[in-house]
Formats: sequence, structure tokens, C-alpha cells
Amino acid sequence: AQSVTQLDSQVPVFEEAPVELRCNYSSSVSVYLFWYVQYPNQGLQLLLKYLSGSTLVKGINGFEAEFNKSQTSFHLRKPSVHISDTAEYFCAVRRIYNQGGKLIFGQGTELSVKP
Amino acid sequence: ETGVTQTPRHLVMGMTNKKSLKCEQHLGHNAMYWYKQSAKKPLELMFVYSLEERVENNSVPSRFSPECPNSSHLFLHLHTLQPEDSALYLCASSLGPGELFFGEGSRLTVL
Repeated sequence: AQSVTQLDSQVPVFEEAPVELRCNYSSSVSVYLFWYVQYPNQGLQLLLKYLSGSTLVKGINGFEAEFNKSQTSFHLRKPSVHISDTAEYFCAVRRIYNQGGKLIFGQGTELSVKP
Repeated sequence: ETGVTQTPRHLVMGMTNKKSLKCEQHLGHNAMYWYKQSAKKPLELMFVYSLEERVENNSVPSRFSPECPNSSHLFLHLHTLQPEDSALYLCASSLGPGELFFGEGSRLTVL
């Protein structure tokens, strides 16, 4: 079975500051890793994904994440945040080669960007 | 526009009503999902359909009844719900083992 832990439930940060949202996972098999963002009253939108290859993954809106297999982590970073980045962020894992397999989510991290 | 459309976006129903949520995808995907999102709780997977067959049912109460008539459509039929069933219901679809594409959600309130 897989599980995901997002280490911070809320992250307040000032505009133009850097931010890191932490995600650790547990799995006995190889997994794909994802970060999703949810703006108020909307569904989830994919920010970025790690399937294979380079461990540094770049996504939309200037976000990037680094896959660290030894530490089973997939932290999300942005060097300079904007007010519009205020949203809830979800880390998720999915077993490789699993047609129709479920996506397991973390509890979410609420990012609040203040002017 | 995500390619996954959910209707209605908002639904208010009494505990004795019967209603349905609809999800439609035009992405050519072959798996569809229902997730429940309640306040202060992680996203909960309810059902998974792959190639129109239900492959997962996460101990969901029988008052929720899914239906997948074809690979583009997914329904969630609701009857005799409880107030604690009030939540955002998210539909998603995928192709193979890649990422899921989500709809905007249906906000359900049970009175």
C-alpha cells in the first residue's frame, strides 16, 4: 500500500519570497509522483509530475519539484511566489503500470501568500 | 476547461430525495473516478471504472450508486443521503497509468 504525508497543513509566506511545500511518501513498489493545485471553488489542476528520468521536474506557474528516492520525498518549490499562488496544494502517488489504479493523496497544504 | 465536465456544479437535496451527478470526458481516456472531498479531510477515492468495469469500490455506503454506461460518461446516483454526505464530489479520468484529469466538482449539500 502507498501513503503520502504532507508535513505542513498551512504555509503563510510573503509575496516574492521563496516557498517549499514538503511531501514524503511510503510505498513498497515503484510509484509515479504528482503535485496538484486547487484554487477556491475549483477542481484539481496538475502542477507537475515525476514519471522517470531527471529527478528535477519543472511544472506550470514557475513551480518545480525534486524526487529524492533515498529520502522518499518529493518537495515542491517556487523561488518567488505571487498573491495568485494562494491555493491548496496536494501531493499524490500512483503505482507504476497500474491501469485504472488509484491516486493516493496527501492531506493538502494551504499556501497563503500575503502582500 | 479541463476536458472533464461535471453537472450540476451545485446541488441541494433533502434526505429523502433521489438525484444524480453526471461526469463527461472527451479526452479519449479509458478510466474514470469519483472522489469525495470533505472539509478538513483528505481526498477519498470512492469508485474507479476502467474500460467501463468497476475495478474499485472503497467501502462506500450503498446510498451512493455509480454507473458507467460508456468510457466517456460516469454517473453517481444518490438516494437517502445523510447530512454528513455534504461535500465536493470530484470526477476524474485518465489514460493508462498517467495523471488524472479532474472536473470542477459538484458541491452537494444535504439538508
